[in-house]
Amino acid sequence: QSVLTQPPSVSAAPGQRVTISCSGSSSNIGNNFVSWYQQLPGTAPKLLISDNNKRPSGIPDRFSGSKSGTSATLGISGLQTGDEADYYCGTWDRSLSSWVFGGGTKLTVL
Amino acid sequence: QVQLVDSGGGVVQSGRSLRLSCAASGFTFSSYAMHWVRQAPGKGLEWVALISHDGSNKYYTDSVKGRFTISRDSSRNTLSLQMNSLGPEDTAVYYCARDQGAWGYGYYFDYWGQGTLVTVSS
Repeated sequence: QSVLTQPPSVSAAPGQRVTISCSGSSSNIGNNFVSWYQQLPGTAPKLLISDNNKRPSGIPDRFSGSKSGTSATLGISGLQTGDEADYYCGTWDRSLSSWVFGGGTKLTVL
Repeated sequence: QVQLVDSGGGVVQSGRSLRLSCAASGFTFSSYAMHWVRQAPGKGLEWVALISHDGSNKYYTDSVKGRFTISRDSSRNTLSLQMNSLGPEDTAVYYCARDQGAWGYGYYFDYWGQGTLVTVSS
């Protein structure tokens, strides 16, 4: 059982937009920045979004992040087959004094 | 360019020890906190441990406290994870990751190693 809650899977057609939610509490998302990671099959995770909504250099603007209260959302527009991957949210939890991740969401582009 | 190379994984019997290493290059190693994150086969990411930039602060997930020790050697630009009393539940790919900040909390993991597989047999 992960501290952060994500849907196990989402799917959409190429070109469409999808959102992935990440729900936490005041001890984690509510008081810390959220980051998002993309893990393509068989590879290491890669930073996608930092500080709730910032895209590192090289990440297309099709990817966006937002946070409200104790929840965060990753948005992916103009879906491509190459976006099929597992997506994880993460943040620091002040009560646990540990980093916590969501359980991961598998994106399928139909 | 920033590079993290994980090594030291392998097959080990339950109850034995293993030491993982992460060789860092392309940045000032002593300025950044570092983490270990693991992923059991077919499962999600699990944060394992964190060490601050100067080694003064260390944090662990509850399941490894007392068994795992994170350390760093800035003269060799190397991060290590000493794992003792290993059990089948520790079977996973272990990744080292750089924190964007110096202390390890409140920022993010901006670079990851390729991972090293640890298999604990019972």
